[in-house]
Amino acid sequence: QKEVEQNSGPLSVPEGAIASLNCTYSDRGSQSFFWYRQYSGKSPELIMSIYSNGDKEDGRFTAQLNKASQYVSLLIRDSQPSDSATYLCAVNEGSQGNLIFGKGTKLSVKP
Amino acid sequence: NAGVTQTPKFRILKIGQSMTLQCTQDMNHNYMYWYRQDPGMGLKLIYYSVGAGITDKGEVPNGYNVSRSTTEDFPLRLELAAPSQTSVYFCASSYRDNQPQHFGDGTRLSIL
Repeated sequence: QKEVEQNSGPLSVPEGAIASLNCTYSDRGSQSFFWYRQYSGKSPELIMSIYSNGDKEDGRFTAQLNKASQYVSLLIRDSQPSDSATYLCAVNEGSQGNLIFGKGTKLSVKP
Repeated sequence: NAGVTQTPKFRILKIGQSMTLQCTQDMNHNYMYWYRQDPGMGLKLIYYSVGAGITDKGEVPNGYNVSRSTTEDFPLRLELAAPSQTSVYFCASSYRDNQPQHFGDGTRLSIL
């Protein structure tokens, strides 16, 4: 059974701090990695995608991928209360391309 | 630009009733997906389609059926509703595999 693991949290950080969210996956054939943000009662919203080893930055968000360690992370700089949400890590299955989602990490940014 | 549209947003069913959850996308995406999300359990894939006329089972297909007669539409059918199908259902689409999926707003379904 291919799996995507995330700490459920809640992860609590003060406003202005860096929030670090982590994800590990079991399928070595995975090629595509995504971070989604989901506010309570809303649908998942794509915030980052990453396909190659290394870092990818987009505004306050940085995704980091290490395929050798089967590890992907999301850093949120200058965290804001509006970043408080559940963050879902999604990894494609190598053979079919379907996404496997982690259960999500709940982030709380305290003013 | 509507994206992925799901109807209805909320529904209450009695045990044994049937219904169809509608999903349509206007992005000309080939791939479409149905997920269910239970509290604390993440998203589970029910069915997916890689194009019109082609559907396949996901991780949790029992109790559901789908069809894909057009590129735009991908309805999900519940034939005999059971309490275990109480969940939030999301439809998503993508241009191809390995590309980001875009989600609809979801249907909150309760079966009593």
